[in-house]
Amino acid sequence: KQEVTQIPAALSVPEGENLVLNCSFTDSAIYNLQWFRQDPGKGLTSLLLIQSSQREQTSGRLNASLDKSSGRSTLYIAASQPGDSATYLCAVISGSGNTGKLIFGQGTTLQVKP
Amino acid sequence: ETGVTQSPTHLIKTRGQQVTLRCSSQSGHNTVSWYQQALGQGPQFIFQYYREEENGRGNFPPRFSGLQFPNYSSELNVNALELDDSALYLCASSLAGGRVRDGYTFGSGTRLTVV
Repeated sequence: KQEVTQIPAALSVPEGENLVLNCSFTDSAIYNLQWFRQDPGKGLTSLLLIQSSQREQTSGRLNASLDKSSGRSTLYIAASQPGDSATYLCAVISGSGNTGKLIFGQGTTLQVKP
Repeated sequence: ETGVTQSPTHLIKTRGQQVTLRCSSQSGHNTVSWYQQALGQGPQFIFQYYREEENGRGNFPPRFSGLQFPNYSSELNVNALELDDSALYLCASSLAGGRVRDGYTFGSGTRLTVV
């Protein structure tokens, strides 16, 4: 059974710091891995998707890496800003046939202090 | 290109009642998935519809059911509501179960409170 774990559960940093969020999964048979951002009480905004054949993806100040063999992904946020404060969710996409489903970690809640 | 839209945004129901939540998928997407997110938890997979057929289901009882329509929009129905059904319900659309480049696109969710 696939399980996804995110560490740390919460993180507080001063503005301007670079930071790394960690995600691990138990079964390397995944299609893709997707990072999301969730503001309180809101839906999920997709940040980055890494396909299983890729090692990393970048978008602006965000960089996500994937190491399938070790079951790990990291989300790197450069020069953090107060507007980055949110919960960050990692999810692997796995399944068979035409069925693909997201299996989520519990999330990392980030607070960036001005 | 329109995103995923869900209605209603908030809902309060009494234990034992039935509820229907609605979702319009992103233009061009043929797969819709539903997730339940309890407070402080990651979303949990309820089920997925592909071309109007349920083709995957999580660990949820049969009183959770759904439909997908020819335009790929979808409904989630929950019968005999229980207090533990209080959660944020998220709809996500994709191509081919999210196994292609764009992954999943989520709506803003419906907050269901059961009293």
